[in-house]
Amino acid sequence: EAQVTQNPRYLITVTGKKLTVTCSQNMNHEYMSWYRQDPGLGLRQIYYSMNVEVTDKGDVPEGYKVSRKEKRNFPLILESPSPNQTSLYFCASSFNAAPNTEAFFGQGTRLTVV
Amino acid sequence: QQPVQSPQAVILREGEDAVINCSSSKALYSVHWYRQKHGEAPVFLMILLKGGEQKGHEKISASFNEKKQQSSLYLTASQLSYSGTYFCGTERGFGNEKLTFGTGTRLTIIP
Repeated sequence: EAQVTQNPRYLITVTGKKLTVTCSQNMNHEYMSWYRQDPGLGLRQIYYSMNVEVTDKGDVPEGYKVSRKEKRNFPLILESPSPNQTSLYFCASSFNAAPNTEAFFGQGTRLTVV
Repeated sequence: QQPVQSPQAVILREGEDAVINCSSSKALYSVHWYRQKHGEAPVFLMILLKGGEQKGHEKISASFNEKKQQSSLYLTASQLSYSGTYFCGTERGFGNEKLTFGTGTRLTIIP
């Protein structure tokens, strides 16, 4: 089954404790991206990647890191999480090396930083 | 900069029509539309590329006026299953491959 898989689905952590949210897709997609969703603000892009070893900042990259060492994986790293990073996070992938085809979203990761 | 969606929320009875608008202050290459039901991931509806093409998806269609940097989503004879939050996303094209979503329009369909 074609899908984007995020882990974990729920995470509660403490301020400053490094964490990684994994994202994997099995569709051989070129473009992958991370979004955060907050009430009233919609979906905001954090980082995107057009291919292996090619990443770039989205609209809200501060406090986040990403890497794209393999085509299928695109982990999101929070080196020192803070409470303002409490949010619902979505990973997405699409076929082309640009966001001009259908994006498939993972099921989301709800992160709480206390 | 996020595109502006209007209205922010709308309540309709089954069978009524709705229009959701999306406008940007920047020139656009493509506009995307997604629907998100409560507690779920966004789901793709359609993409409109530069060229003013109108697309359809059952009773849901959309238009893209690239000169005005605006797109509209049309929901005809709405069904209960159309309830959810609708997001438009905009892309500016080669060299700027960010996809920027609006803040969403919450659509509630009542029987």
